[in-house]
Amino acid sequence: QQQVKQSPQSLIVQKGGISIINCAYENTAFDYFPWYQQFPGKGPALLIAIRPDVSEKKEGRFTISFNKSAKQFSLHIMDSQPGDSATYFCAAGTYKYIFGTGTRLKVLA
Amino acid sequence: KAGVTQTPRYLIKTRGQQVTLSCSPISGHRSVSWYQQTPGQGLQFLFEYFSETQRNKGNFPGRFSGRQFSNSRSEMNVSTLELGDSALYLCASSLVGTANSGNTIYFGEGSWLTVV
Repeated sequence: QQQVKQSPQSLIVQKGGISIINCAYENTAFDYFPWYQQFPGKGPALLIAIRPDVSEKKEGRFTISFNKSAKQFSLHIMDSQPGDSATYFCAAGTYKYIFGTGTRLKVLA
Repeated sequence: KAGVTQTPRYLIKTRGQQVTLSCSPISGHRSVSWYQQTPGQGLQFLFEYFSETQRNKGNFPGRFSGRQFSNSRSEMNVSTLELGDSALYLCASSLVGTANSGNTIYFGEGSWLTVV
């Protein structure tokens, strides 16, 4: 009930390509789904977040797609850039978040 | 507006010792939570404090404890350190901690603890 499964574990994308990271959750009580970006030596920083009452949210090159019935959500990074190379974590919860295990993204120049 | 500040940033301790980590939340934030990050286990929730009260606790042994002061600053303590406690300890703050608010939590840069 408390797991958040994230895939893939690592991802290599060419510059300009689309990066897609997927997460699945189990607890239907979760009502907030943020994505965090973490660079080496830094703490995670909020990237974008969505609530279950919408199916998609876009901020610049970053889009969250949310499928409530399937209990899945995904992060799409359009026109991926080398500066996007980082570890990405999905999370789900209310005020206590369960984090996915992270995806290490590398964007090749 | 200053972010979440954690001290110390790096520390090395010997097995069996204890350690205290400090966290200053973003001004006005009343909820502080702590996470342990390791390569193998990812980000794991330790506990959350709101208005000096521990409201939520993760699945960690009693050696891990925390507290929050009236100014919302928080400390976490780990006693009888074990090699497996080596990790990045992250503090996060949020404005309020109500159950269905979908609060955004903001992380500090963490305290790197190495136990030798």
